[in-house]
Amino acid sequence: GIQVEQSPPDLILQEGANSTLRCNFSDSVNNLQWFHQNPWGQLINLFYIPSGTKQNGRLSATTVATERYSLLYISSSQTTDSGVYFCAVATYGNNRLAFGKGNQVVVIP
Amino acid sequence: KAGVTQTPRYLIKTRGQQVTLSCSPISGHRSVSWYQQTPGQGLQFLFEYFSETQRNKGNFPGRFSGRQFSNSRSEMNVSTLELGDSALYLCASSWDEDYEQYFGPGTRLTVT
Repeated sequence: GIQVEQSPPDLILQEGANSTLRCNFSDSVNNLQWFHQNPWGQLINLFYIPSGTKQNGRLSATTVATERYSLLYISSSQTTDSGVYFCAVATYGNNRLAFGKGNQVVVIP
Repeated sequence: KAGVTQTPRYLIKTRGQQVTLSCSPISGHRSVSWYQQTPGQGLQFLFEYFSETQRNKGNFPGRFSGRQFSNSRSEMNVSTLELGDSALYLCASSWDEDYEQYFGPGTRLTVT
């Protein structure tokens, strides 16, 4: 099946700093989503971005489908950005999301 | 529009028992998928239902089963529980394949 690798696995940031999370995947995809898992376990949708660039407030994401990677940018980080970020992909014609192991982000004041 | 809901939120069961978890998708969504999250294996796909039919299945033993009703609500069942089944079980709904998936809050199952 498709492989998903996220880097870095752990990241500690000072409040106000910027960061980039990376997701590499091993096959062509028709679905790529970024999630933030809240402390209670729910996956919160950040971006649905199988290709192109999107922005939502301090967060933005870029997927370069031809090179099989996606980037999630966090600007001016806040303590509420702490948590685990997951990248998940699915190939064409199926709903089976394959997840990476996540990026554990800690933002310190 | 209401989000995906899952019940119960927490469960404690004993080895050998069985358990049924429920998921109500976003109104209008016909696809429901189930995932298991454990510290060791991460997030893994269990199965997907669409229009009351299982459309895709992950690599889990036959003790894990599911079904979908005509209103798109879905249940998953785990029989003969093992300690390793302790996990967060997440349900996701979407309009169809290749559409954005939305997750519920999860059911945290503890097997003792």
